[in-house]
Amino acid sequence: GAGVSQSPRYKVTKRGQDVALRCDPISGHVSLYWYRQALGQGPEFLTYFNYEAQQDKSGLPNDRFSAERPEGSISTLTIQRTEQRDSAMYRCASSLVTDTQYFGPGTRLTVL
Amino acid sequence: DAKTTQPPSMDCAEGRAANLPCNHSTISGNEYVYWYRQIHSQGPQYIIHGLKNNETNEMASLIITEDRKSSTLILPHATLRDTAVYYCIVRLRGVKTSYDKVIFGPGTSLSVIP
Repeated sequence: GAGVSQSPRYKVTKRGQDVALRCDPISGHVSLYWYRQALGQGPEFLTYFNYEAQQDKSGLPNDRFSAERPEGSISTLTIQRTEQRDSAMYRCASSLVTDTQYFGPGTRLTVL
Repeated sequence: DAKTTQPPSMDCAEGRAANLPCNHSTISGNEYVYWYRQIHSQGPQYIIHGLKNNETNEMASLIITEDRKSSTLILPHATLRDTAVYYCIVRLRGVKTSYDKVIFGPGTSLSVIP
């Protein structure tokens, strides 16, 4: 079946604008994770969901970052008032309950 | 912080076995060891996981010490396409839990040399 998809694949925005990044997990996967990855570093945990419930958001850097998964499937990561330091690859992964994670291709965000 | 430590980089000759170590001295009894790899800018790719027994699949073998405080990922015949960053993580598996904060460390950058 289809893997994890993310859109857009690339996003260029100006500082101060809001952006919304979308993740479409593998059908039937309960858990969904968001990561941020800077060049040359491992994925940095941001938040994760079981179904529609956000279980842990301790990795979100500040209150400009938020995520939702209202129907327990597609998730959106929103960054308000973007700053240049938000530029990174944002990755989404999904899994059956606490199992192997399958990663999407990522969204490369560039804030000018 | 990641619950694992790995060497930052390793080299391996093409065709030889690549042995990638990982220390996880604080692993709890119900946590599994997972290995992923990331090739260039692609997303991390699952390789293998295990609890306490050695495991083998078509990609690799996983050797876990008896005390479970360390493990080794073995790529039996490394090819140039195995050049990647390899991540070792520990986490729960198969349980409904509100705690599944999966932490990746910096991993080991494996270079397979022709």
